[in-house]
Amino acid sequence: KNQVEQSPQSLIILEGKNCTLQCNYTVSPFSNLRWYKQDTGRGPVSLTIMTFSENTKSNGRYTATLDADTKQSSLHITASQLSDSASYICVVTAPLNEKLTFGTGTRLTIIP
Amino acid sequence: DAGITQSPRHKVTETGTPVTLRCHQTENHRYMYWYRQDPGHGLRLIHYSYGVKDTDKGEVSDGYSVSRSKTEDFLLTLESATSSQTSVYFCAISGVRGLAGNTIYFGEGSWLTVV
Repeated sequence: KNQVEQSPQSLIILEGKNCTLQCNYTVSPFSNLRWYKQDTGRGPVSLTIMTFSENTKSNGRYTATLDADTKQSSLHITASQLSDSASYICVVTAPLNEKLTFGTGTRLTIIP
Repeated sequence: DAGITQSPRHKVTETGTPVTLRCHQTENHRYMYWYRQDPGHGLRLIHYSYGVKDTDKGEVSDGYSVSRSKTEDFLLTLESATSSQTSVYFCAISGVRGLAGNTIYFGEGSWLTVV
């Protein structure tokens, strides 16, 4: 069964610090990997989309990396802000049926 | 923000009653999706549509039906609501399906409680 596993489940860091969230997947082959940010009580918002041939993609203070050989991705957040407090969801697309498999997310809390 | 409106945003209903959730988009996107989000699970696809009157089942479609009579509207119906359908429901839209890597935009969610 294709799966997307995210770690840690939750993370608390001080404002201004950096952090890295992990995503391991078993979807194979895959066509693209996405990271979404979901604020409490809101819908997910796209941060990055990477195809299997890309290994890094940035969006402001967010940088996603992808290692297709090890089936791992990470989302690095630089100089965290209080507004970064949210859940971050990793999503992998399988090419055969174009199905999106969602991870359960990492809940990030930034404290002042 | 993508022009997606979900209604109602919050609803409490009794077991056995029918419920319809509406998704309205102003982006003229071809694909529309209904997902549910539950604790401990990633978002799971209920049904999707690839055009007017063209719909297909997702991975958790039992107990749900959908209809799309206009490009801009995608309705999700629970024919006879059960407590297991208590969830947060998200509508999503995209210009192409997931393979192409286009952004998939999500609505703000509909919180449904079945008592």
